[in-house]
Amino acid sequence: DSGVTQTPKHLITATGQRVTLRCSPRSGDLSVYWYQQSLDQGLQFLIQYYNGEERAKGNILERFSAQQFPDLHSELNLSSLELGDSALYFCASSASGVYNEQFFGPGTRLTVL
Amino acid sequence: AQKITQTQPGMFVQEKEAVTLDCTYDTSDQSYGLFWYKQPSSGEMIFLIYQGSYDEQNATEGRYSLNFQKARKSANLVISASQLGDSAMYFCAMRGYQAGTALIFGKGTTLSVSS
Repeated sequence: DSGVTQTPKHLITATGQRVTLRCSPRSGDLSVYWYQQSLDQGLQFLIQYYNGEERAKGNILERFSAQQFPDLHSELNLSSLELGDSALYFCASSASGVYNEQFFGPGTRLTVL
Repeated sequence: AQKITQTQPGMFVQEKEAVTLDCTYDTSDQSYGLFWYKQPSSGEMIFLIYQGSYDEQNATEGRYSLNFQKARKSANLVISASQLGDSAMYFCAMRGYQAGTALIFGKGTTLSVSS
């Protein structure tokens, strides 16, 4: 158990809909990262938050947004969903600095029909 | 830009044999971390081993060791005495300052261990 929790574990929805994925980091970790894993794109970094503020953006679509709340949990919002958004979405947390490993949650598998 | 290259889509090994999974990287950062993660068929990402760019010794964690050759920009994972439970996808990743300390992943190598 990595200590990072994600809900829900599975999500099935239709094109055009909006969903929210939730993540709680490990106790004490201020950084939260969101990643998308798909067959064609592999594992891609989407966005990072540090102590409530956006720190870095990766290949995140404009239809996607995220936030980190005062209790440090984070939510990833995906809107106007398309078939190609079907993927495994991971949240990870870590202590600061490049020398610290990131601990991954179990992931949310999103299926867009 | 930072990049991780894993050139072996699949590797096959017998139980109890050692196996090396290749990873090369590219970065202009002076300080960076190199990581290996394992993803079994169940989907979770499991951290295996880490190497810092300034570490002079190769990292080891149980049956896992990281063969770090900085001048060649390679960070190969060596698994000694393979077990059936080692069958999984393995990802090499790098963490530097260019992407806000996010992990940049390679495409992964599927390892199959047979008895």
